Amino acid sequence: GENVEQHPSTLSVQEGDSAVIKCTYSDSASNYFPWYKQELGKGPQLIIDIRSNVGEKKDQRIAVTLNKTAKHFSLHITETQPEDSAVYFCAASMNSGYSTLTFGKGTMLLVSP
Amino acid sequence: GAVVSQHPSWVICKSGTSVKIECRSLDFQATTMFWYRQFPKQSLMLMATSNEGSKATYEQGVEKDKFLINHASLTLSTLTVTSAHPEDSSFYICSASRPTLKGITEAFFGQGTRLTVV
Repeated sequence: GENVEQHPSTLSVQEGDSAVIKCTYSDSASNYFPWYKQELGKGPQLIIDIRSNVGEKKDQRIAVTLNKTAKHFSLHITETQPEDSAVYFCAASMNSGYSTLTFGKGTMLLVSP
Repeated sequence: GAVVSQHPSWVICKSGTSVKIECRSLDFQATTMFWYRQFPKQSLMLMATSNEGSKATYEQGVEKDKFLINHASLTLSTLTVTSAHPEDSSFYICSASRPTLKGITEAFFGQGTRLTVV
């Protein structure tokens, strides 16, 4: 089955800096890669996703890149703010019908004012 | 985005009792819902996939008689933790899948239920 590795497990940055979280996946059949933000005591919220036919996608301060050949994808957050502090999860799926998501172990991002 | 509502958000129960958690898709029909368990500072662990009108598919190591899942309608799935014990204390999260116009399926998560068994 699919295996998703996520690094780093924790990331501390100063407000205004950029943050990068990286994930690798094992199953070349995976073609959908969402990123979720989870605040303490809440469920994960989808923040951005990318499909395998696209190499990069941006949404304001958030961007995701995908390298299909190397089977890795990354989340980039620019101009970080304290409210960006949360746990971020990457995931991968084949997205065929209602296939399951395989999650990375998560990255706790701490943005200091 | 779509809204998935999970209830209750927290529950405390006595050891040996059963607890039911509801997951509703409020503005879309979800033929498939997923139930996850999350331990502190860990990732989400898929417990089972719930399909409307049929039996749930459980992941390896998840006791189906312990964690009863019912998906009676396109907007509601329930997870019942039977004869709960302290080791069942955890954060339980549901998600519902919805196809989009872009031809992909997006997963939306409920807010989670904190179960504490005393």
